[in-house]
Amino acid sequence: DVKVTQSSRYLVKRTGEKVFLECVQDMDHENMFWYRQDPGLGLRLIYFSYDVKMKEKGDIPEGYSVSREKKERFSLILESASTNQTSMYLCASSLSGVRYGYTFGSGTRLTVV
Amino acid sequence: AQKVTQAQTEISVVEKEDVTLDCVYETRDTTYYLFWYKQPPSGELVFLIRRNSFDEQNEISGRYSWNFQKSTSSFNFTITASQVVDSAVYFCALSEAGSSGANSKLTFGKGITLSVRP
Repeated sequence: DVKVTQSSRYLVKRTGEKVFLECVQDMDHENMFWYRQDPGLGLRLIYFSYDVKMKEKGDIPEGYSVSREKKERFSLILESASTNQTSMYLCASSLSGVRYGYTFGSGTRLTVV
Repeated sequence: AQKVTQAQTEISVVEKEDVTLDCVYETRDTTYYLFWYKQPPSGELVFLIRRNSFDEQNEISGRYSWNFQKSTSSFNFTITASQVVDSAVYFCALSEAGSSGANSKLTFGKGITLSVRP
């Protein structure tokens, strides 16, 4: 079964730590996305990538960076974690072309203490 | 800019009731796609349906049905005879057509939390 895999389901980190959230897809999708989900705010796009080594800022990129060295892997980096980055993080991938929807991972619930 | 509005934030029904989840969208494009996703408590968003802007036929899949009306820019989702397993957050999303890659980005509504009580 094809899927998007996020490395951790739950993560607890300390303020100031550098945090890596990993996402791997096995569908040979060109596009990959990182969202955060918070109650009442829905899904907010952090960063996305249409190709290897390419990245574009989403709606809320501040405090985050990304890396896409290989087509199948898209990493989200919190350079210096803060408590306001406590959230559910969702990774998604899709084929190029707007007719295609996204395939989502199961999410990583990050708590920054 | 495209926009998706899900005005209902939380809905609670008793099992076997019918329930309709509303979705209103805004776009300047004539070619676009609409989606519904379900997010159960496990967290993963699951694709339910896709509809393109040229296909206004309503769709039925078991207890699920979708009503697409371009005249009112709405793409509503109805669950007939709801069940406890339908409890989830439901997202409506919009994607506009254009050059490959550049517009392959969905705009999501804020989601509707549906609770179905036994």
